[in-house]
Amino acid sequence: GAVVSQHPSRVICKSGTSVKIECRSLDFQATTMFWYRQFPKQSLMLMATSNEGSKATYEQGVEKDKFLINHASLTLSTLTVTSAHPEDSSFYICSARDPLGASEKLFFGSGTQLSVL
Amino acid sequence: DQQVKQNSPSLSVQEGRISILNCDYTNSMFDYFLWYKKYPAEGPTFLISISSIKDKNEDGRFTVFLNKSAKHLSLHIVPSQPGDSAVYFCAASDYGGSQGNLIFGKGTKLSVKP
Repeated sequence: GAVVSQHPSRVICKSGTSVKIECRSLDFQATTMFWYRQFPKQSLMLMATSNEGSKATYEQGVEKDKFLINHASLTLSTLTVTSAHPEDSSFYICSARDPLGASEKLFFGSGTQLSVL
Repeated sequence: DQQVKQNSPSLSVQEGRISILNCDYTNSMFDYFLWYKKYPAEGPTFLISISSIKDKNEDGRFTVFLNKSAKHLSLHIVPSQPGDSAVYFCAASDYGGSQGNLIFGKGTKLSVKP
């Protein structure tokens, strides 16, 4: 089946620094990728939709200048958390849908646990 | 306001018995529903789905039932196995609208005891 790779799996950083998370589709081309955030005991919340070759679409309440998304190729989307603060500590996860697939099912990366000190 | 609700945060079942995980939704525009399974430190993986034109979909030990009038769906696992222990997320989509924006529930942690 389709595979989505996400890196790094865990990152600890100091407050004020920036962190980049990569999401790659390994065996299919994804024109669209999705970035989610999950706080403990909460549901996965969509942050933004990453579109190859164009600007990302952000969900209401998500700061586009803080969460920079770049989808420069059909197999790679990156999320950069700029000037991270402790409240940004969360589990970030990306997903993509195989455009040749017949259903809505998404393929997820393994997630990135971000801890901001 | 949560559009997809999984009211049971956890469920414990004996091996070999049936596991029933429930999910309720509020948006009548949802027309496609999915269940994802998540192990610790891994991303969710697709398990089974159902379109709103059906009321049942079966795949091996997994069956999803959809009751549109009640805006309720359930996942049945029978017989349950210890390897089924994971967090199960219910998700819904209004496919006709937003190209696959899924709304997730908070998940139910299933523990299958040997």
